[in-house]
Amino acid sequence: NAGVTQTPKFQVLKTGQSMTLQCAQDMNHEYMSWYRQDPGMGLRLIHYSVGAGITDQGEVPNGYNVSRSTTEDFPLRLLSAAPSQTSVYFCASSTGVGDGANVLTFGAGSRLTVL
Amino acid sequence: GQNIDQPTEMTATEGAIVQINCTYQTSGFNGLFWYQQHAGEAPTFLSYNVLDGLEEKGRFSSFLSRSKGYSYLLLKELQMKDSASYLCAVRDGDYKLSFGAGTTVTVRA
Repeated sequence: NAGVTQTPKFQVLKTGQSMTLQCAQDMNHEYMSWYRQDPGMGLRLIHYSVGAGITDQGEVPNGYNVSRSTTEDFPLRLLSAAPSQTSVYFCASSTGVGDGANVLTFGAGSRLTVL
Repeated sequence: GQNIDQPTEMTATEGAIVQINCTYQTSGFNGLFWYQQHAGEAPTFLSYNVLDGLEEKGRFSSFLSRSKGYSYLLLKELQMKDSASYLCAVRDGDYKLSFGAGTTVTVRA
């Protein structure tokens, strides 16, 4: 059982380049989300999805796109990379609403550097 | 939106107790979570409170007062492996989880 798998683990981009961070989960979780983590600022929500075909914006969505064509996959696209997008990105998923803690399971993270 | 505050750093001695406080202001409260994050790793779930009171889980306990917008995480019998960042997070509505900046705990021998 792999949990949440993110690729790549490391990436260096030049300003203006585009790329996609991949996220896949094998736990049949309805809820998936992307966070970025910067020193001193904690985790900030970029986009989230409550099921296939449904996405919504989080706290810091500008410069990022997402789609949710399947339950398993939730890719994050950087349209035109900027140095301000240098960060560690985490994908996280959970079962969604219901009893229990709706605990997030995180991927290992993707460290992105934009030059 | 959310406003979540927790101390930046704390230092304690092996075997001691440390209490990490978290205060929050939220438009819609639906649970408070604590996560642990070791350097260079992903956050992992520690505890969850939705009702007032204390939840105990081995060496870790978490307390919530919804009327005061206050929670704490209590780490007992500290071990070197407890050196990590501890993240307070509040769920707004059904899904969205907002995190504080985290408290880095350093355990010294």
